[in-house]
Amino acid sequence: GQSLEQPSEVTAVEGAIVQINCTYQTSGFYGLSWYQQHDGGAPTFLSYNALDGLEETGRFSSFLSRSDSYGYLLLQELQMKDSASYFCAVRDGGTGFQKLVFGTGTRLLVSP
Amino acid sequence: EAQVTQNPRYLITVTGKKLTVTCSQNMNHEYMSWYRQDPGLGLRQIYYSMNVEATDKGDVPEGYKVSRKEKRNFPLILESPSPNQTSLYFCASRVTGGMGGYTFGSGTRLTVV
Repeated sequence: GQSLEQPSEVTAVEGAIVQINCTYQTSGFYGLSWYQQHDGGAPTFLSYNALDGLEETGRFSSFLSRSDSYGYLLLQELQMKDSASYFCAVRDGGTGFQKLVFGTGTRLLVSP
Repeated sequence: EAQVTQNPRYLITVTGKKLTVTCSQNMNHEYMSWYRQDPGLGLRQIYYSMNVEATDKGDVPEGYKVSRKEKRNFPLILESPSPNQTSLYFCASRVTGGMGGYTFGSGTRLTVV
């Protein structure tokens, strides 16, 4: 089966940099994804890492180390609107890598 | 606009009264899935579908049914809802294969009393 661990809550101030970690255990691996969800809203796709290294998309970057079964989401120049929950997710190898399994989410609180 | 559309957004119902939550996508995605979200438990998959007439159970399928008669539609059916099915439900879709993310609907908040 799959399991993903991430911190339940992270706090930071505007303009700062924050890193949200995710460790995973999988029966097969097909990449690590990150999703953002504002209160009352739907999850929205942020990034996907299939290979080791850093992927950058604007203020957000995502890192993967397959040997360590570890990844992180890096948010730079934090803004108030970044206050949301962030979920890491992996695809389940047992279903042809089509089933997406989520971590329990990290709530990011950005203060002025 | 490419999107996944769920209806209704909010629903309050009574125990045992059958209900259907509809989900439709306009992106020609093969893969569709239903998730429920509960505090502290994250998103858990209920059912998924790889294509028309191809559905399978997720992690928490008890008390739910689905069908996939058309590629664009993937309704979630609760034959006899119970209070423990009170939750926030999301439908999602994506193309099969590739590295793209999943597109989620806006969610359906269901309360069973």
